[in-house]
Amino acid sequence: DVKVTQSSRYLVKRTGEKVFLECVQDMDHENMFWYRQDPGLGLRLIYFSYDVKMKEKGDIPEGYSVSREKKERFSLILESASTNQTSMYLCASNRDNNYEQYFGPGTRLTVT
Amino acid sequence: RKEVEQDPGPFNVPEGATVAFNCTYSNSASQSFFWYRQDCRKEPKLLMSVYSSGNEDGRFTAQLNRASQYISLLIRDSKLSDSATYLCVVNDFNKFYFGSGTKLNVKP
Repeated sequence: DVKVTQSSRYLVKRTGEKVFLECVQDMDHENMFWYRQDPGLGLRLIYFSYDVKMKEKGDIPEGYSVSREKKERFSLILESASTNQTSMYLCASNRDNNYEQYFGPGTRLTVT
Repeated sequence: RKEVEQDPGPFNVPEGATVAFNCTYSNSASQSFFWYRQDCRKEPKLLMSVYSSGNEDGRFTAQLNRASQYISLLIRDSKLSDSATYLCVVNDFNKFYFGSGTKLNVKP
């Protein structure tokens, strides 16, 4: 059974803080993704990675960076959190040539 | 213009009803298409892939119309447990584009 876990379900941070969101998958998937989900806007892709140490910008990468040092782990970093980054953050993974994405439970981040 | 557009609903239907959702996409070169289901405060999960020839899984039928660039999902004999948000998803070279979802409420 595929499992994608995220380090926190709920997180409250202050404006200007550096924030780390961790995602781990246990199925040896090549591809990993970070999305944010906001009401009326759906899921929007922030970054994705198709291999260790590889990363690609998604549609809304500004204000974010990522790190993938190990195949199973994909981290999202908010260098200096701002209130407009308050959102639900979802991590996902999939295998090459198998398009089904498996999602983690999400991290609801509030920046005050 | 959004890559994928859906009617947000909500669609309020009685148990046993048939309900259909549509979704349009903007990139004619899109390769793969899916419907995901998302329950309240939960993560999205794959409901079904959508093939050019159409496909059926029990009470659910998905259709793809490439010429008009839309995807549909038909749910027959709705159950209370079908209440959820249904997300239309389009894949372009391993980048996934999600619609904002259509909310379905099935009432007793």
